[in-house]
Amino acid sequence: ELKVEQNPLFLSMQEGKNYTIYCNYSTTSDRLYWYRQDPGKSLESLFVLLSNGAVKQEGRLMASLDTKARLSTLHITAAVHDLSATYFCAVEETSGSRLTFGEGTQLTVNP
Amino acid sequence: GAGVSQSPSNKVTEKGKDVELRCDPISGHTALYWYRQSLGQGLEFLIYFQGNSAPDKSGLPSDRFSAERTGGSVSTLTIQRTQQEDSAVYLCASSLGPTLFYGYTFGSGTRLTVV
Repeated sequence: ELKVEQNPLFLSMQEGKNYTIYCNYSTTSDRLYWYRQDPGKSLESLFVLLSNGAVKQEGRLMASLDTKARLSTLHITAAVHDLSATYFCAVEETSGSRLTFGEGTQLTVNP
Repeated sequence: GAGVSQSPSNKVTEKGKDVELRCDPISGHTALYWYRQSLGQGLEFLIYFQGNSAPDKSGLPSDRFSAERTGGSVSTLTIQRTQQEDSAVYLCASSLGPTLFYGYTFGSGTRLTVV
């Protein structure tokens, strides 16, 4: 059974600081997704990582994938309040099957 | 439509009643998924439809839960004899299919409260 673990689960940080969220998974997969969820809202797709060594950046967020280590990271650079949300990583077991989600990281960026 | 549409957005029901939740996926998306998100939790897979193939029902928590997809488009998730532990947000997602280079698009969800 595929397991996906995120850490930290809760993250409170100051504006302007950098931090990294980690996502570990238990079985071989080369498809990993990052989503953002605002309170009471649905999931917004941030990144799709499809191969080992993939790196994608959008604004202050950068995601990477190391399939050999079964690890993805979401790096936050110079955080701003608008980034406050819950971030989920999700791994696709096999092509087109299902996503298995991590528990989510609740990020709060304080002024 | 432009996105995945779910209805109702909120549903309050009495314990023991049946409920039906609807999902209208993006036109042309052959794959459709149902997930459940309990308060403060991650997403739990329920069921997956792909084209005309038999659905993957392995995530359904009990035989009170069922889902169908008519004509390869709209899907209905039915919960019979609802229990309080069924209270959650039920999210539907669709995708273009197994190639999935474009990922999944989620609907806004149905918040189900069983009282």
